[in-house]
Amino acid sequence: EAQVTQNPRYLITVTGKKLTVTCSQNMNHEYMSWYRQDPGLGLRQIYYSMNVEVTDKGDVPEGYKVSRKEKRNFPLILESPSPNQTSLYFCASSLSIISSSGGRGNEQFFGPGTRLTVL
Amino acid sequence: RKEVEQDPGPFNVPEGATVAFNCTYSNSASQSFFWYRQDCRKEPKLLMSVYSSGNEDGRFTAQLNRASQYISLLIRDSKLSDSATYLCVVPRSGTYKYIFGTGTRLKVLA
Repeated sequence: EAQVTQNPRYLITVTGKKLTVTCSQNMNHEYMSWYRQDPGLGLRQIYYSMNVEVTDKGDVPEGYKVSRKEKRNFPLILESPSPNQTSLYFCASSLSIISSSGGRGNEQFFGPGTRLTVL
Repeated sequence: RKEVEQDPGPFNVPEGATVAFNCTYSNSASQSFFWYRQDCRKEPKLLMSVYSSGNEDGRFTAQLNRASQYISLLIRDSKLSDSATYLCVVPRSGTYKYIFGTGTRLKVLA
């Protein structure tokens, strides 16, 4: 079954304790992305990756790191979590954006979400 | 002006009604548009992609108006199961990023 998986699904942690949220897809997609969703703000892109070893910042990258060592995996790392990172996080994957100049993208497939609370 | 803007609703409609909502976008160079459905705090799921003037899938029709820079989603014969939040997504032209609207909430009432 084609899918995007995330772990953990729920996490409560304390300020400053490093954590990693894993994301894996089995569709051989090149493009992967992390979003956070907050009430009234919608989904905002944190980081994205065009392919292995190619990552770039989204609109809200502060406080996050990512890596893309394998095509299927795209972990999100919070080196020193803070309460303002309490949010619902989604990983997504898709075929590559066809053309950045023309803004021609592809449909994204989302993981089930990770609900993170930082105390 | 926001890059992607949606009326948050909620749109409360009776079963069987036709409902439509719009999504405006600011970048005239955008070429692809997506409607996603999101049930309460679950993952968004693709409803429709729009690459030209529009798209239709059963009871759902998406229309693109390039001149006025908006896309619409029309739902005919609404079902209780259509109750959800509908998200509009547009790739940001000149980048490899996606911009999400904040969503329009639909409630279909029995």
